Amino acid sequence: GAGVSQSPRYKVAKRGQDVALRCDPISGHVSLFWYQQALGQGPEFLTYFQNEAQLDKSGLPSDRFFAERPEGSVSTLKIQRTQQEDSAVYLCASSLPGGLAGEFNEQFFGPGTRLTVL
Amino acid sequence: KQEVTQIPAALSVPEGENLVLNCSFTDSAIYNLQWFRQDPGKGLTSLLLIQSSQREQTSGRLNASLDKSSGRSTLYIAASQPGDSATYLCAVQGPRNQFYFGTGTSLTVIP
Repeated sequence: GAGVSQSPRYKVAKRGQDVALRCDPISGHVSLFWYQQALGQGPEFLTYFQNEAQLDKSGLPSDRFFAERPEGSVSTLKIQRTQQEDSAVYLCASSLPGGLAGEFNEQFFGPGTRLTVL
Repeated sequence: KQEVTQIPAALSVPEGENLVLNCSFTDSAIYNLQWFRQDPGKGLTSLLLIQSSQREQTSGRLNASLDKSSGRSTLYIAASQPGDSATYLCAVQGPRNQFYFGTGTSLTVIP
């Protein structure tokens, strides 16, 4: 079956522009995560959805970052008034719940969107 | 905050060698640990998931072990091949919904 897809793969924005990044998770995966990965670093958690509910947004770096998943499937990460420090790869992952309460199963990642802010 | 460290940061080995990658974490209260590989310019590919009730997982030439009490996991790669060249990342799931990643080990297998 199809894996996690993200679009666009590359985005160049001028400082101050708004951008929207899309994630299509694996069909049936109720959990969806967004991560930010700076060059040479591991991914950093941004936010988590269970179906359409955003249960954790503690990793969003500022109020310029906003994520939604209105129908519990496709998710969009929006960054308003982009800054140079927002340049990074944005990764989306989806998974099924694990066997224990609160535990997640294997995460599957999309290819990422590389955002460059000039 | 959970901190995840991977040692070494880079490793270069000749083809055919067995090797071990290390992952350590500061808070032993984790649900599970997952190993990934990342190829340049690509997303993460899941290799192995060790869930809370497990201590070890195996897939082909890969074997991962987890010792929660000591805050350590190892990924063992047998008979390395040039196609194994990539960055290997470990991630732990804490009691909340967050996952914490290490900065990775960059592996080069020389033909």
